[in-house]
Parts: sequence; C-alpha cells; structure tokens
Amino acid sequence: SYEVTQPPSVSVSPGQTARITCTGDKLGDKYVCWYQQKPGQSPVLVIYQDTKRPSEIPERFSGSNSGNTDTATLTISGTQAMDEADYYCQAWDNSTSVVFGGGTKLTVL
Amino acid sequence: EVQLVESGGGLVQPGRSLRLACVASGFTFDDFAMHWARQAPGKGLEWVSGISWNSTSIGYVDSVKGRFTISRDNAKNSLSLQMNSLRGEDTALYYCAKGTRAYGSGSYLERWGPGTLVTVSS
Repeated sequence: SYEVTQPPSVSVSPGQTARITCTGDKLGDKYVCWYQQKPGQSPVLVIYQDTKRPSEIPERFSGSNSGNTDTATLTISGTQAMDEADYYCQAWDNSTSVVFGGGTKLTVL
Repeated sequence: EVQLVESGGGLVQPGRSLRLACVASGFTFDDFAMHWARQAPGKGLEWVSGISWNSTSIGYVDSVKGRFTISRDNAKNSLSLQMNSLRGEDTALYYCAKGTRAYGSGSYLERWGPGTLVTVSS
C-alpha cells in the first residue's frame, strides 16, 4: 500500500519560515494537500492540489510539489504563535485511496 | 455555511455493531463525495472510507474492509457508516468530511465535522 512520510516534529522561531516535508514514491505525480489540526479541534484544510489555498487561509501558508521529486513541502512564512499545531499531508493513490502522513507537530518557540 | 454533524458514537463491546450518521447542510450534498476519517486517542489521522456523489465509487482502508459499510442518502443529505465486528483498535474519534466533486485523484477533505467518539471495550 502507498505511504507518505512526515517528520514527527519541526521547530521554528516566531517570524521565521517553517517548512514541513511530505515524502512518498513518485509523490510529484500526485496532488498533495495539507491540513492543520490544533488541540481539541477538527482538521482544517490549508493547502489543496499542491499549491492552492482556501480563501480563509492566510497568505503565509503555501505549498509546493515538484514534478520530479518525491517530496512535497508546506511552507509557513512569518510563522506566528497561532500556527503551532499538528500538520498532516494527504495524497490519493489508486490502490490505497486517501492516504495521510503521520503528522508533524509544529512548535513555535 | 457548510455544517457536518456526526452522531451514533458510544461505548460498545468487542464484536458488536454500531452505526454512525452524519447530516450535512450548507452545500449541495449530492454534488460531492463524502468521507469518514478517524483519529485514535493521541494518534494521527486515518482515512476510513469514501463514497462518490452517486455511490458508484466506494473505498475502504484495508483494516475495515468486510466489516464497515459506507452509504449515503442524497434525499436526506445524510452519510452513514455501518460498523460490524468492532475491535479495540477501532476506538477513535470518527469524523465525517465533505470531499471534492470527483472521487479519485486529487481528492481532498474540504470540511470536517466535530466528530463522534467510538469506544470499543468490554
């Protein structure tokens, strides 16, 4: 079955840029999306189809997924304390359907 | 405003059954795929099942195949998950989620409900 892998944790200082990676076989050939989940809350979609951002999501959130690599990246520019959360990547594979990464805990310190 | 409200969770003994329901509002329900996902206590997200707008495409995670059945009633804007032969590892918060118009490549879960807790224990 298809799998995508994320680092368990990422730390960033306020105002700096946070980058969270998602790795999977030929991931560049698939669409990737990203969810933010704060403690006690339901997940919220922050990036879809690699680079698109829902209208309610701040511009500091961006995504990339190069066509010739196995890695997609969620980038948070000018990270704020409110961005501290768990982040999950997700892809679709024809054999596994929806696949989530294991999640990355972003700490802003 | 999109709203998804799950119900039907609770404490159930191993081997027994439970049926989850999700009522949707704020969007044209029969235009979109729908999904169930779950999150065990302190763990990450796991997709459980999905269904296309017209129920012709359905998928399940391997661990629930043959035990869980997803269905939808477009006339009632409702999504269901019939869970049979429940196991301790099915204990989780179960989320109903609005998908995309297409069910397949590029699918994502656009909106999530608050979830309903299922606890499988004797």
